[in-house]
Amino acid sequence: KQEVTQIPAALSVPEGENLVLNCSFTDSAIYNLQWFRQDPGKGLTSLLLIQSSQREQTSGRLNASLDKSSGRSTLYIAASQPGDSATYLCAAPLSGSARQLTFGSGTQLTVLP
Amino acid sequence: NAGVMQNPRHLVRRRGQEARLRCSPMKGHSHVYWYRQLPEEGLKFMVYLQKENIIDESGMPKERFSAEFPKEGPSILRIQQVVRGDSAAYFCASSPLSTSGSSETQYFGPGTRLLVL
Repeated sequence: KQEVTQIPAALSVPEGENLVLNCSFTDSAIYNLQWFRQDPGKGLTSLLLIQSSQREQTSGRLNASLDKSSGRSTLYIAASQPGDSATYLCAAPLSGSARQLTFGSGTQLTVLP
Repeated sequence: NAGVMQNPRHLVRRRGQEARLRCSPMKGHSHVYWYRQLPEEGLKFMVYLQKENIIDESGMPKERFSAEFPKEGPSILRIQQVVRGDSAAYFCASSPLSTSGSSETQYFGPGTRLLVL
């Protein structure tokens, strides 16, 4: 059974800082690793998807890395902005049940102006 | 292209009543997923459906919960005889039929927030 952990549970940073969010998973036989953003009272927005054969993906100020052997992924946010404030979730579906996303409990990010 | 639509956005039920949650996937998407987010907890997978078929219901409670995705119309998550512990946000997601062999991103709806009094 896959278990996904995210650290820290909450993070508060001043605007402009670079920051890293961490995600770890217990079973390395993952199909991919996905990062989502959830705004209060809203659904999830997909940010980045890293295939199991890839090491990283980049989109704008976001960069996600994947190290399957250590069971870890990081989401790097450059030059943070108040609009980045949200809860960030990672999901690591297992091969064989690739459509069943197993989520971490999220990191609640607050970027202070 | 409209995103995943869910209705109602908020639903209040008394204990023992039935709750019906609807999800319309994105146009062209043939896969639907339901997830539940309990207060102060992460999202948990419930069920994965394709048109007229339940593919994986390993996350569904054994009793009172059922899901369907008919040939025509939205996917329905049905909760019979609701209890207070069913109060949660229920999210639907959809994805297209994969043609490349790689996994597809799931696109999430805004959720239905169920409150059981």
